[in-house]
Amino acid sequence: GNSVTQMEGPVTLSEEAFLTINCTYTATGYPSLFWYVQYPGEGLQLLLKATKADDKGSNKGFEATYRKETTSFHLEKGSVQVSDSAVYFCALSSRNTGGFKTIFGAGTRLFVKA
Amino acid sequence: GAVVSQHPSWVICKSGTSVKIECRSLDFQATTMFWYRQFPKQSLMLMATSNEGSKATYEQGVEKDKFLINHASLTLSTLTVTSAHPEDSSFYICSARGDRGFNEQFFGPGTRLTVL
Repeated sequence: GNSVTQMEGPVTLSEEAFLTINCTYTATGYPSLFWYVQYPGEGLQLLLKATKADDKGSNKGFEATYRKETTSFHLEKGSVQVSDSAVYFCALSSRNTGGFKTIFGAGTRLFVKA
Repeated sequence: GAVVSQHPSWVICKSGTSVKIECRSLDFQATTMFWYRQFPKQSLMLMATSNEGSKATYEQGVEKDKFLINHASLTLSTLTVTSAHPEDSSFYICSARGDRGFNEQFFGPGTRLTVL
């Protein structure tokens, strides 16, 4: 079946450091890929998405490129801020016999120190 | 953007009582709604998928008689936790997909349930 694997956290960085959170997936067909962010005590918010191979999603300085050849969708940001501290979830959505379903990775907690 | 609300945002109840959580799509029609459960510091676990006017499809291992889901309209779905017990304490998140976005689900802010 479909699955999403993220790097384990927590990830601790200093402000203005470069961020990479790795995400790889296993899926049949052509899924859409997403990164969601969850701030403390809140629900999930869509951060960015890509719907086909080689698409780059970007938002708030974060980027991720849909790499079909490596089945990856790594999240990057050139300079993190304290306010980026949150849990980041990689996810894929695809159609199966039960309709569209979104599967989430385990989440990666990011701490950014001032 | 598309907004999904949940009510209540938190609830505390006694063991053995039932609790209803509402999920509403405020500015779009949600043909499909999803209910997730999230344990502390863990990922979201899909509990069930419901299409408007149809019975919910439950994931393996989720008791449908314990977690009653109703999706009676294109803007409202409810999750009722029946005869709640402390092990049902969790963060419940609903999500909706409809006539907005492409393969995109919009998430509610979640409901924290604590069963004493």
